[in-house]
Amino acid sequence: EAGVTQSPTHLIKTRGQQATLRCSPISGHTSVYWYQQALGLGLQFLLWYDEGEERNRGNFPPRFSGRQFPNYSSELNVNALELEDSALYLCASSARQGGGTEAFFGQGTRLTVV
Amino acid sequence: GENVEQHPSTLSVQEGDSAVIKCTYSDSASNYFPWYKQELGKGPQLIIDIRSNVGEKKDQRIAVTLNKTAKHFSLHITETQPEDSAVYFCAASDSWGKLQFGAGTQVVVTP
Repeated sequence: EAGVTQSPTHLIKTRGQQATLRCSPISGHTSVYWYQQALGLGLQFLLWYDEGEERNRGNFPPRFSGRQFPNYSSELNVNALELEDSALYLCASSARQGGGTEAFFGQGTRLTVV
Repeated sequence: GENVEQHPSTLSVQEGDSAVIKCTYSDSASNYFPWYKQELGKGPQLIIDIRSNVGEKKDQRIAVTLNKTAKHFSLHITETQPEDSAVYFCAASDSWGKLQFGAGTQVVVTP
């Protein structure tokens, strides 16, 4: 069974541009979580989608947005890129909404803003 | 919201010794506590988890303990090996399933 897949693996953008990151959850998983991991730092919660709806978002500006498609895959969009947006963006999926559900991560997309 | 603190930030152990990482959480409603291992250049890998109705869980060389009253939980790795070197993250899940992570512990196992 395929795990969580993210694309692209690496992405280089110029300040002010937009970036689109994609995530395919494990088959059967309906919840998708996005986290930002800046170099040397921990995982900061960005967004959570379940059944196509945004359920929660972390303390990030509105230029971080996303969506979840009917097949439960998800897209993270970052507009007006800033240098400090450079980070590893991780996607995780879980089988259902609610506490106590295992979440599995993809390998991440390394975004570099120059 | 939930706040998770993790200590120590770095841990150096000799191969064969034990390693212990401790975490505390703030939200008494949290009911699920997973641990992740992240190797360089990879995504976090779920290695063990514990739910609030259990005090201890073991899987080969790793074990996790949970003290709900004190709101802390710990990861224990016995007979450490060089391949245990990685960054370990604890997390706590609220009733909605959102994971709040600790800051991570860099574990270095020296031969």
